[in-house]
Amino acid sequence: AQTVTQSQPEMSVQEAETVTLSCTYDTSENNYYLFWYKQPPSRQMILVIRQEAYKQQNATENRFSVNFQKAAKSFSLKISDSQLGDTAMYFCAFMKRSSNSGYALNFGKGTSLLVTP
Amino acid sequence: NAGVTQTPKFRILKIGQSMTLQCAQDMNHNYMYWYRQDPGMGLKLIYYSVGAGITDKGEVPNGYNVSRSTTEDFPLRLELAAPSQTSVYFCASSYPPVKAGETYNEQFFGPGTRLTVL
Repeated sequence: AQTVTQSQPEMSVQEAETVTLSCTYDTSENNYYLFWYKQPPSRQMILVIRQEAYKQQNATENRFSVNFQKAAKSFSLKISDSQLGDTAMYFCAFMKRSSNSGYALNFGKGTSLLVTP
Repeated sequence: NAGVTQTPKFRILKIGQSMTLQCAQDMNHNYMYWYRQDPGMGLKLIYYSVGAGITDKGEVPNGYNVSRSTTEDFPLRLELAAPSQTSVYFCASSYPPVKAGETYNEQFFGPGTRLTVL
């Protein structure tokens, strides 16, 4: 089974600053996807960014980027120019690229991020 | 498109009662999922379905049942509610990924159902 670990239960950052959220995972798979989801107080799950394990290039989406270290099984999220609207719970998630798991997501416990003025 | 819809938004049950959480999607997705989110935790997979008539257990299936008679609907049934089933329940849907390099299968989530069992 895959496990996803987020070691930072809570983090705080000032507006316009940069923050990095950590995620490590444990798997024997070679083909997989990794994701960061954002869950604001509305509870809606919002996909922030994804990374295919076969791609060496780190994914970026506007102010969000990842540092994917496959050998170290590490997948951190960097948020640049933090905005008040970034305040949310952030979940790291793993997906095997094999049909026998139904392509379901394995989630970490989450990191609560607070952006302060 | 409405995306993934869930009803009800909130529900309080007494121990031993039963209920069905409804989930529907209008994106013609093959794959559908039920997750539960306990306080302070990530989501855990209860059941999933790869198409009409096909379902399989996830990590935490005990106390739940599902059916998938149509592509659009994937209801979750609680037969004998217990306090341990107090949680927020999320339904999600997606296409399966086919091969590397193609647009992959983002999972789209519903807004969740908050269930309390007293």
